[in-house]
Amino acid sequence: GENVEQHPSTLSVQEGDSAVIKCTYSDSASNYFPWYKQELGKRPQLIIDIRSNVGEKKDQRIAVTLNKTAKHFSLHITETQPEDSAVYFCAASMTGTASKLTFGTGTRLQVTL
Amino acid sequence: GAVVSQHPSWVICKSGTSVKIECRSLDFQATTMFWYRQFPKQSLMLMATSNEGSKATYEQGVEKDKFLINHASLTLSTLTVTSAHPEDSSFYICSAREGGRGRGETQYFGPGTRLLVL
Repeated sequence: GENVEQHPSTLSVQEGDSAVIKCTYSDSASNYFPWYKQELGKRPQLIIDIRSNVGEKKDQRIAVTLNKTAKHFSLHITETQPEDSAVYFCAASMTGTASKLTFGTGTRLQVTL
Repeated sequence: GAVVSQHPSWVICKSGTSVKIECRSLDFQATTMFWYRQFPKQSLMLMATSNEGSKATYEQGVEKDKFLINHASLTLSTLTVTSAHPEDSSFYICSAREGGRGRGETQYFGPGTRLLVL
């Protein structure tokens, strides 16, 4: 089955700096890669996703890059703000009705003033 | 759009009792729903995949007779934790995915149910 590794487990940045979280996956058949943000005690919220037919996707301060050859993808947050503090999870899956998400272990991002 | 609700939000029960958790897609039809368990400071672990009108598919190591899943309609799936024990205490989260071709793979999560078994 799919295995997703995520680094770092914790990340502390100063407000205004950039944050980068990296994930690798094992199954070359995976072609859908979402990122979720989870605040303490709350539901995971989809913040951005990318499919394997593109290499990069951007939405305001958030961007995701995908390298299919190396089987890794990254989340980039620019101009970080205190409200970006949360746990971020990457995930991978195939497409299709039988697909299921395999999650990374999570990154706790702390944005300090 | 794409709102998923979950009820109850928290429950405390005695060891040996059964607890039912409901997951509803409020503004879309979900042919597939997923049930996850999340322990403190850990990732989401998939327990089972629930397809409307058919039996759930359980992940390896998840006891299907202990965690009963029913997906009787396109907007409702239930998880029943039978004969709950303290080690079943966890945060249970459901997610739902729209059905049909071209609907994509996006999963929308419910707010979770915190279960504490005494």
